[in-house]
Amino acid sequence: QKEVEQDPGPLSVPEGAIVSLNCTYSNSAFQYFMWYRQYSRKGPELLMYTYSSGNKEDGRFTAQVDKSSKYISLFIRDSQPSDSATYLCATLRDDKIIFGKGTRLHILP
Amino acid sequence: NAGVMQNPRHLVRRRGQEARLRCSPMKGHSHVYWYRQLPEEGLKFMVYLQKENIIDESGMPKERFSAEFPKEGPSILRIQQVVRGDSAAYFCASSPLREFYNEQFFGPGTRLTVL
Repeated sequence: QKEVEQDPGPLSVPEGAIVSLNCTYSNSAFQYFMWYRQYSRKGPELLMYTYSSGNKEDGRFTAQVDKSSKYISLFIRDSQPSDSATYLCATLRDDKIIFGKGTRLHILP
Repeated sequence: NAGVMQNPRHLVRRRGQEARLRCSPMKGHSHVYWYRQLPEEGLKFMVYLQKENIIDESGMPKERFSAEFPKEGPSILRIQQVVRGDSAAYFCASSPLREFYNEQFFGPGTRLTVL
């Protein structure tokens, strides 16, 4: 079983819609969770990080961790064409960042 | 304030040649991490270095791959006798301290193509 599982998509949604991106993880000991955004031909950039369970909000972005189901989510409100990118969820194990495969998101104008 | 710099951005090698990828961390950052992104795969950790020290190389293939971060100059990821399977995007990231996972900034990557 992979440590972090993520549906690769692609996911296409109309501009203005709420986007929901999800990952599952295998090890209940994982505590630190991150979401990265990667535009085509660019390096990943950290969007948000959370520790343990709960929600964290930053502008149009909300990160959510449900440790009981080992499920992490990223919600994007009022999606924009500029949000079109690959979104990578990640966690921390032994000081190493473990990434999911990434979900390709297309926001249709 | 320049970010993480990687060069070259694109590198083409024939099978059996050597590839040298360079990474200059952000100013003030002394921790460098290398990752590989294969087509349709996520980023995979390769190696973590501090100046003149390899801290964790558990993600590095056992043969042909090596990394260094000298006292002066950029970090180098070296791949000897490249094979087609080495074709990938290689990213480095830097951080000011080991614990600052939320301040691990990535470079733009080097795309290696092996013919």
